[in-house]
Amino acid sequence: DTGVSQDPRHKITKRGQNVTFRCDPISEHNRLYWYRQTLGQGPEFLTYFQNEAQLEKSRLLSDRFSAERPKGSFSTLEIQRTEQGDSAMYLCASSSSGHSGNTIYFGEGSWLTVV
Amino acid sequence: AQSVSQHNHHVILSEAASLELGCNYSYGGTVNLFWYVQYPGQHLQLLLKYFSGDPLVKGIKGFEAEFIKSKFSFNLRKPSVQWSDTAEYFCAARGNEKLTFGTGTRLTIIP
Repeated sequence: DTGVSQDPRHKITKRGQNVTFRCDPISEHNRLYWYRQTLGQGPEFLTYFQNEAQLEKSRLLSDRFSAERPKGSFSTLEIQRTEQGDSAMYLCASSSSGHSGNTIYFGEGSWLTVV
Repeated sequence: AQSVSQHNHHVILSEAASLELGCNYSYGGTVNLFWYVQYPGQHLQLLLKYFSGDPLVKGIKGFEAEFIKSKFSFNLRKPSVQWSDTAEYFCAARGNEKLTFGTGTRLTIIP
């Protein structure tokens, strides 16, 4: 399968713990996005990378959140000192650049439950 | 700021009924428009997209959407729905590098 893959698919953690999600984009895609989706809502943009550069961060991305894409391939999203309000699905997506109309493809998401 | 509105939160239809889901966007420049579908327990999948040209775009599974620039709308249509169309449908707009999604419409098809 050559789609966007995310790991883990589900994570249950205690409040205050740190969690990290990994995303492997489609191999030829140089853009990588992180979104968050809560029940009954559409996905909300968090941040995106072009290659290894983080080009935009949403105000939703508090200082407890950090995303990296060190070699321009896979990316990690870490949440420190988790809170119950962080419970959501974290979606990763990727696309190629060069043409503004390129489609963004989504992974299956990583469900986070903070108890 | 870019925004997308979906006015129908939950739509319930019988099989073979016609479907139209509303989507309006707000963006000042050139915009690309998308409809994504999320079947229960599955990830977001692209239904169709509009970049330029013919404002009536056809997607997978018999869906189509019409871009009406004067109304800032991109409504999704299907002439005859099936039970398997039960899912959540998201309209999205891309004016710069990121997608902005609407809140989604839950579609329930009754056999």
